Amino acid sequence: GQQLNQSPQSMFIQEGEDVSMNCTSSSIFNTWLWYKQDPGEGPVLLIALYKAGELTSNGRLTAQFGITRKDSFLNISASIPSDVGIYFCAGQANAGGTSYGKLTFGQGTILTVHP
Amino acid sequence: EPEVTQTPSHQVTQMGQEVILRCVPISNHLYFYWYRQILGQKVEFLVSFYNNEISEKSEIFDDQFSVERPDGSNFTLKIRSTKLEDSAMYFCASSSRVAGGAKNIQYFGAGTRLSVL
Repeated sequence: GQQLNQSPQSMFIQEGEDVSMNCTSSSIFNTWLWYKQDPGEGPVLLIALYKAGELTSNGRLTAQFGITRKDSFLNISASIPSDVGIYFCAGQANAGGTSYGKLTFGQGTILTVHP
Repeated sequence: EPEVTQTPSHQVTQMGQEVILRCVPISNHLYFYWYRQILGQKVEFLVSFYNNEISEKSEIFDDQFSVERPDGSNFTLKIRSTKLEDSAMYFCASSSRVAGGAKNIQYFGAGTRLSVL
């Protein structure tokens, strides 16, 4: 099946630092999504990417959809304590193929921000 | 802001018992999903549902699992005879469209923690 490799697995940073995480896949996705999960909660969508090469920002967050459609990165600038959580990438294949909108998730990046 | 709601937040059951996890998707959404997350692991797709039938299911979704939309608002996941390895967080999600050119954003509920003893 489709697999997403997300790295790094965890990050420990100081408040104010920038963060970068990425996902790669052996297969093509038509949509890349980045979610954040707080403890005991469901994933919350941060950024959605729909076109290869697309660069999208949401406040201090920036994400890019790789040209090959097999990778994506997420950057967080000037981190703050509330950025703590688990960040997941998720890919979605075309509904015309074998997938019908299902999301394939990466393993997650655990972010810890020290004040 | 509309949201996906799930009940109960925590369900404890004995191995072999049947459980039903409930979800109320966002009201104008048409596509519904169940995912699960074993503690410390990634979120895994179980099943998608559209127009009162299963659109796709994963290999995890075996004969012990079933889904139903019993009325216009609820979407349920039933596990007939729970096993220890079914212990996980179960997330319901809904969206208004699927992929393939149309923008599909899946909104997730807060999840139900299932503990099988």
